[in-house]
Amino acid sequence: AQRVTQPEKLLSVFKGAPVELKCNYSYSGSPELFWYVQYSRQRLQLLLRHISRESIKGFTADLNKGETSFHLKKPFAQEEDSAMYYCALGFIGGSQGNLIFGKGTKLSVKP
Amino acid sequence: ETGVTQSPTHLIKTRGQQVTLRCSSQSGHNTVSWYQQALGQGPQFIFQYYREEENGRGNFPPRFSGLQFPNYSSELNVNALELDDSALYLCASSSKQGPTEAFFGQGTRLTVV
Repeated sequence: AQRVTQPEKLLSVFKGAPVELKCNYSYSGSPELFWYVQYSRQRLQLLLRHISRESIKGFTADLNKGETSFHLKKPFAQEEDSAMYYCALGFIGGSQGNLIFGKGTKLSVKP
Repeated sequence: ETGVTQSPTHLIKTRGQQVTLRCSSQSGHNTVSWYQQALGQGPQFIFQYYREEENGRGNFPPRFSGLQFPNYSSELNVNALELDDSALYLCASSSKQGPTEAFFGQGTRLTVV
């Protein structure tokens, strides 16, 4: 069955430190992976998707099909990065719809 | 360009009652998906509508039903409410079916007592 696992519920780092939010997925087909972010009192919004290969707000994520991972990385964390981050798996067909979300990781960047 | 809007923002219902949640999709989007987000969990897919037809359904019982209107706005109806239905209900619209960027509303917080 399709599944997204984010092993850390909470990740706390100091400003300027590197950050890596882990995401592993389970899917036998060709996946589309996304990272969504929810800042305090704001709605869930797309941060980046693996297809676009962009760097958004200094974040990057590389799809590793061998390890079935899509970890989110940023070399130097900023306080404004504090938010809830969700990894999501997208695929076509079946009864699962188009996005399966992980449980999320709360990133806290301390000054 | 208007974003996804949901109403109401908060709602309290009694077990056994019925509830209707509403969503206006983003301008130009023809696909609407509904998600349930329980406390401490990620959003869980309920169903998706594309051009007024249900286009995929998650693991939710039939008492969760929906509609999409010609203007692509949507409703989520839940009958015979249970305590476990208490959650944040999110609506997301997108410009096409399948895996693509989804634009989320702010959600409706439903509390069943």
